[in-house]
Amino acid sequence: DAGITQSPRYKITETGRQVTLMCHQTWSHSYMFWYRQDLGHGLRLIYYSAAADITDKGEVPDGYVVSRSKTENFPLTLESATRSQTSVYFCASSESTGPGANVLTFGAGSRLTVL
Amino acid sequence: QKEVEQDPGPLSVPEGAIVSLNCTYSNSAFQYFMWYRQYSRKGPELLMYTYSSGNKEDGRFTAQVDKSSKYISLFIRDSQPSDSATYLCAMSATNTDKLIFGTGTRLQVFP
Repeated sequence: DAGITQSPRYKITETGRQVTLMCHQTWSHSYMFWYRQDLGHGLRLIYYSAAADITDKGEVPDGYVVSRSKTENFPLTLESATRSQTSVYFCASSESTGPGANVLTFGAGSRLTVL
Repeated sequence: QKEVEQDPGPLSVPEGAIVSLNCTYSNSAFQYFMWYRQYSRKGPELLMYTYSSGNKEDGRFTAQVDKSSKYISLFIRDSQPSDSATYLCAMSATNTDKLIFGTGTRLQVFP
């Protein structure tokens, strides 16, 4: 399917466990992003990537790790999950140049609960 | 103070009403302004995109930017129950800067 796909859509885990959220896009967009969305905080940028093997921190990177070995995939890993990481996580992508370069297209989200 | 402020609502209106959603911002360098619509348990989707000041209309939706007041608005005419969603404003200074999002306003349109 064309677009941006996140998996799993729902995940329940325990404190201290490692969790990986997957993101796959079919447009060959250069830029990919991970956001978390929490009540009262809106969307906060965790990490982003300008291209394969290029990643950078966003506003709230602590406790998260990303990698981007292929342009189309951008997994987000919580190395040791904490309750404060209970949230809805959104992956997004955008083109690198042109008038729509800062327009984000979002996935459907991954709802993570850490017990 | 946040760079972008948005009233969280909820805003509840009857079907057919004109809805006004607003955001204020503090960074005078912002030139790109967007509105995203987010249905429950879905990802945000782009609704309106404007550059610099002025109005942009698309069907029942009008986006307005007032840079002198650092204020943007989204108007929805003849609102429908299907417009019930959370509306997020987003903005940036250049088209390569990261977007700064408002916290979103939840809108409910009742029949």
